[in-house]
This record gives sequence, C-alpha cells and structure tokens, in this order.
Amino acid sequence: DAKTTQPTSMDCAEGRAANLPCNHSTISGNEYVYWYRQIHSQGPQYIIHGLKNNETNEMASLIITEDRKSSTLILPHATLRDTAVYYCIVRVGYNYGQNFVFGPGTRLSVLP
Amino acid sequence: GAVVSQHPSWVICKSGTSVKIECRSLDFQATTMFWYRQFPKQSLMLMATSNEGSKATYEQGVEKDKFLINHASLTLSTLTVTSAHPEDSSFYICSAPGTGAYNEQFFGPGTRLTVL
Repeated sequence: DAKTTQPTSMDCAEGRAANLPCNHSTISGNEYVYWYRQIHSQGPQYIIHGLKNNETNEMASLIITEDRKSSTLILPHATLRDTAVYYCIVRVGYNYGQNFVFGPGTRLSVLP
Repeated sequence: GAVVSQHPSWVICKSGTSVKIECRSLDFQATTMFWYRQFPKQSLMLMATSNEGSKATYEQGVEKDKFLINHASLTLSTLTVTSAHPEDSSFYICSAPGTGAYNEQFFGPGTRLTVL
C-alpha cells in the first residue's frame, strides 16, 4: 500500500472548517483513500473514503486532487468533539483479508 | 454501520496472570479479524490476523505463545495475554472487515490492559 504523509498536528477554531491534508504521491490506480479518526481512548472511527471523485457525507468532505497524489479532509464546522487523531490511509479497496496500516496521523485540536 | 464490540473495556491484572479479551462482530460475520496494540502517544500496530477455522497469523516480533488468538466462530475472536507483565500494558483494539464493496474496517472500542 502507498505511504501517506500528514502534518503531525493542527489547531482549528470551533465553528470553523478544519482542512486536514494528506500526501500520497505513490498511490496506485486501484488504491482508495480512507480517512479514520481516533478520539482519545477509543477505537478508530470511519469517516469517509474515495477513489477519484470528491466525496461528501454527513461527517466530512474528501477532496482528491486530479493527479490523486494528495487529498484533503474537510470538517465543515469543527466542534470540540472533533478533537482527535485523524489518519489518512491508502489501500486497495477490494481486499477482504488485508488490514489497515496506520501512520502517525494528524492530531487535530479544536479550540474554543 | 456494522458494530464491533470488545470485552472487557478495561482490565487490571497482576503480573504473571493471563487475561482474555473478546472481540465480537455484532451484526455481521467476519472470517477474519485483526488485533492491534497501541502504546501511549503512538499509532496502532498490527499484532496478528485472526482467521476463523485456522491458525492466526502473527506479525514479526509478536510472540504467538504469549498472545494466544482463537477465532471460535464467525462472530467471535479472542486474544489471551498469557503470563502478563507490565510491559504488556497497552490499549488493545480489534477490527473486522466489512463485506461491502470497499471493505472498510470496523473497529472495536478497545480494551485498556494494565498489568501491575
């Protein structure tokens, strides 16, 4: 699976949009971009994933560049409960028996 | 979405004792489950892959005789930490892959193990 690079930490003001970048310059054509987050002392929580097109769900939006070498997770109106470590993971989608490989992630602090 | 549960959520034990952690997929079947370990301020590290009906596959550096894994059914995998020592204190998390087209992983809430 392709390696990803994320900033170590970021701050965001409550109510503002949080934009979390991820670089995955070696991504392959059949690899998806997944985002998970982990609130302190909890298991990781799925947020969103995408292949080429931008995606949006009730939690966030995922913007993938045209060359697919980077992406941005957007939390449109961050709240204090969004404080967590956010993981960007790139992997082949259709592979039941394969685990997810977690990097260090980005520690997002939402400030009041 | 699919739900994965873990039991217990936390456990404190004495050095030298064994501790069993259960991981259940509540509303779906999982022939494969994954066990991760997470030390403070670190990321999740895969320990082993649990396979229903066959032996678990362990990552390099993980002692299979110390971390016993049993995938008893299509909805249950257990991790037993044998002869636990303080250095085994960690946050243990299991996950199970979904059966949808994109195979996202569903993670349990984790088990905090403290060995005194």
